[in-house]
Amino acid sequence: GQNIDQPTEMTATEGAIVQINCTYQTSGFNGLFWYQQHAGEAPTFLSYNVLDGLEEKGRFSSFLSRSKGYSYLLLKELQMKDSASYLCAVKDSNYQLIWGAGTKLIIKP
Amino acid sequence: IAGITQAPTSQILAAGRRMTLRCTQDMRHNAMYWYRQDLGLGLRLIHYSNTAGTTGKGEVPDGYSVSRANTDDFPLTLASAVPSQTSVYFCASSVKGENNEQFFGPGTRLTVL
Repeated sequence: GQNIDQPTEMTATEGAIVQINCTYQTSGFNGLFWYQQHAGEAPTFLSYNVLDGLEEKGRFSSFLSRSKGYSYLLLKELQMKDSASYLCAVKDSNYQLIWGAGTKLIIKP
Repeated sequence: IAGITQAPTSQILAAGRRMTLRCTQDMRHNAMYWYRQDLGLGLRLIHYSNTAGTTGKGEVPDGYSVSRANTDDFPLTLASAVPSQTSVYFCASSVKGENNEQFFGPGTRLTVL
């Protein structure tokens, strides 16, 4: 079967750095996406990785290791507005997105 | 409109009733999708359409049907609602392509009693 694993919940302090991990087992791999979802809202796109390595976009970075079936999202200089769920999704051999359950990130002042 | 819209925002429905959730996008995206999101579970794909006139089944299609008569609209119909279909439903669209992000509508919160 196909499986995406992420921690259910994480807590971090404003101004700090947090790393959210995602491991996957899917039938094929055509890219990995990270989305942000605030409570009661729709998911919004954060990043896309298809090759191994780090993609940096402002305070957010995403890393991929295809051989390990592993990715992480790194958030720097945390702000209160970063409190949200972070969803990891993998595009499988049929080019459909398989979604993890999401990691709820709680930021404390 | 700009982007992707869904209607209604929320709905309470008696079991056995028929319900159509509406989705419209004005971005001229080829592909459209319907997901349901339940607490503790990831988004699960119900149906999708890669282009107008074609549709396909996702992970959890039973009890749902879709149509794609044109590029902009992608309605989702529950023929005879059951309580297990209580969920938040998201419509999404994307330009067809490997690395193209999906844009999501605001969602419809459906409760079936």
